[in-house]
Amino acid sequence: RKEVEQDPGPFNVPEGATVAFNCTYSNSASQSFFWYRQDCRKEPKLLMSVYSSGNEDGRFTAQLNRASQYISLLIRDSKLSDSATYLCVVNKSGKSTFGDGTTLTVKP
Amino acid sequence: DVKVTQSSRYLVKRTGEKVFLECVQDMDHENMFWYRQDPGLGLRLIYFSYDVKMKEKGDIPEGYSVSREKKERFSLILESASTNQTSMYLCASSTTGGDTEAFFGQGTRLTVV
Repeated sequence: RKEVEQDPGPFNVPEGATVAFNCTYSNSASQSFFWYRQDCRKEPKLLMSVYSSGNEDGRFTAQLNRASQYISLLIRDSKLSDSATYLCVVNKSGKSTFGDGTTLTVKP
Repeated sequence: DVKVTQSSRYLVKRTGEKVFLECVQDMDHENMFWYRQDPGLGLRLIYFSYDVKMKEKGDIPEGYSVSREKKERFSLILESASTNQTSMYLCASSTTGGDTEAFFGQGTRLTVV
């Protein structure tokens, strides 16, 4: 079993849709959690950190459930520019473990 | 802005060659990482380093070695390149601590023929 598991998708949604990505992790000692975004042929970049209290950045909401070892990302009012691969990342002692990514395509 | 720079965007090497991939970061980060990324397999950690001259194996170290003689530079070495090492290689750096973001270089697309 992989340490970090994501639904690979692809998710194909129309503009304006709400889409949710899920991620589970196996190491209960994991310390910090992130969502990264990777555009085609580009390097991954931090989208947002994830906290148990939940955090929101504009149209993006991230949530962590430590008891279930589950992380989520919600994107509201999808834009064409949201098309990318979204990577769930789990850190322990400075070492990051990445999920394989979920591919999102937003269509007009 | 944090900058992580990889020496090449694209490389083509022959089987059996010794290959050096260089990575430099300008933010005085303690931690540096080498990953490879393959379709369907995601990002896999090859080696990482928490300090100068320190290195630790990641999940797939076989066929690779690393060197960190200076804090800002982390080199990945393919001792004898093979076709199954054709991949996208990504270098990253971060500061010490649990809640820290990793910054990536632009990647090196290595093809071994």
